[in-house]
Amino acid sequence: EVQLVESGGGVVRPGGSLRLSCVVSGFTFDDYAMSWVRQAPGKGLEWVSGINWKGDSTNYADSVKGRFTISRDNAKRSLYLQMNSLRAEDTALYHCARIPNQYSTGWWYFDYWGQGTLVTVSS
Amino acid sequence: EIVLTQSPGTLSLSPGERATLSCRASQSVRSSYLAWYQQKPGQAPRLLIYGASSRATGISDRFSGSGSGTDFTLTISRLEPEDVAVYYCQHYGSSPSFGQGTKLEIK
Repeated sequence: EVQLVESGGGVVRPGGSLRLSCVVSGFTFDDYAMSWVRQAPGKGLEWVSGINWKGDSTNYADSVKGRFTISRDNAKRSLYLQMNSLRAEDTALYHCARIPNQYSTGWWYFDYWGQGTLVTVSS
Repeated sequence: EIVLTQSPGTLSLSPGERATLSCRASQSVRSSYLAWYQQKPGQAPRLLIYGASSRATGISDRFSGSGSGTDFTLTISRLEPEDVAVYYCQHYGSSPSFGQGTKLEIK
């Protein structure tokens, strides 16, 4: 069974930092590209970032470019999102999602999603 | 950036009826790079359709997708109570964007 489990969310002040993690199981992690997609409370979905299978090519939404960094550790079957200079508008449930295209850096569809970890940016 | 507009915002139908959900793009979606997701309350999104009309693994044949260019449709036949959810369309192939969602209610 494919599983993606996020962690690392919490409450942080504007300007602060947070590192999200996503541990996967049930599939060969380095056969797939991965992404982060967020959902503000009661709102729709927004693609945040993506990374190819090897981890040497990444992509970001304009809204987070220069502030967020995506990375992965294939040996640990883990995906990460380092979030710096956080703003109130970054408040959301952050999902990690699998991309069924090994070479994509996020510009694809998502065939499995985690339940998400909640990030709240508030003073 | 391609903007996706879904309609209607809310759809209320009876069990056994057919639901027709629309997704209109602000510019042509190349290669029919259009996906549909179902999100039930408190759950993660689930992929239903990719490539505008290909069903994802394990998805019932009650769900079908169609369309090309700027106009796409998700059809759910023989509605069941378990179909209550918000449905999102998403384009890919360039910086991905999602529609705002259609909420499906069963009377």
